[in-house]
Amino acid sequence: DAKTTQPNSMESNEEEPVHLPCNHSTISGTDYIHWYRQLPSQGPEYVIHGLTSNVNNRMASLAIAEDRKSSTLILHRATLRDAAVYYCILRDVLAYGGATNKLIFGTGTLLAVQP
Amino acid sequence: DAGVIQSPRHEVTEMGQEVTLRCKPISGHNSLFWYRQTMMRGLELLIYFNNNVPIDDSGMPEDRFSAKMPNASFSTLKIQPSEPRDSAVYFCASSLETVAEPNYGYTFGSGTRLTVV
Repeated sequence: DAKTTQPNSMESNEEEPVHLPCNHSTISGTDYIHWYRQLPSQGPEYVIHGLTSNVNNRMASLAIAEDRKSSTLILHRATLRDAAVYYCILRDVLAYGGATNKLIFGTGTLLAVQP
Repeated sequence: DAGVIQSPRHEVTEMGQEVTLRCKPISGHNSLFWYRQTMMRGLELLIYFNNNVPIDDSGMPEDRFSAKMPNASFSTLKIQPSEPRDSAVYFCASSLETVAEPNYGYTFGSGTRLTVV
């Protein structure tokens, strides 16, 4: 499985933007980049995903490097509710229905948000 | 939609007892996943069902663990006999994955916290 590398932890101040980096130098052409987050005492929740172009949704933005070897999850205005572990995961779209089309979680980045 | 529903939320059992964890996926979803989370090992995928059929159970720790999905609206994860090292939070997730949209997000339940004493 293609692997991702994320910082163990980051800190942010409330109402400031947060840029969470992810390196994936061995990404293949059919790997999508997915982000999930896990709030304290909850199950993970989907945040966003993309392939090549930058993506925006109501939760966050995903900026993907031109060579796709890295990406950044952007929270435009952090709130205390955004304190969570953020996971960057690669999924092989061609492996649909097969044993390799599954989410494999790494250790993620623990984001602390200060008031 | 009520989301993915897991029961019980907490389970405390004695070593050697049988434990059954239950999951009701989101209606219409065709894929179901069981994960286990511990401080030491993080989130581990145990088994993955697609259209009620087990596709990959390579993450199931050993023969003491078994999972079933008798229909599209129900799955169980059973541990028999249970051991203290099985103590963890067990999550169930479901998704609607198709050839046209293979990247559909997973929806996770709130988990079952299992303590084996």
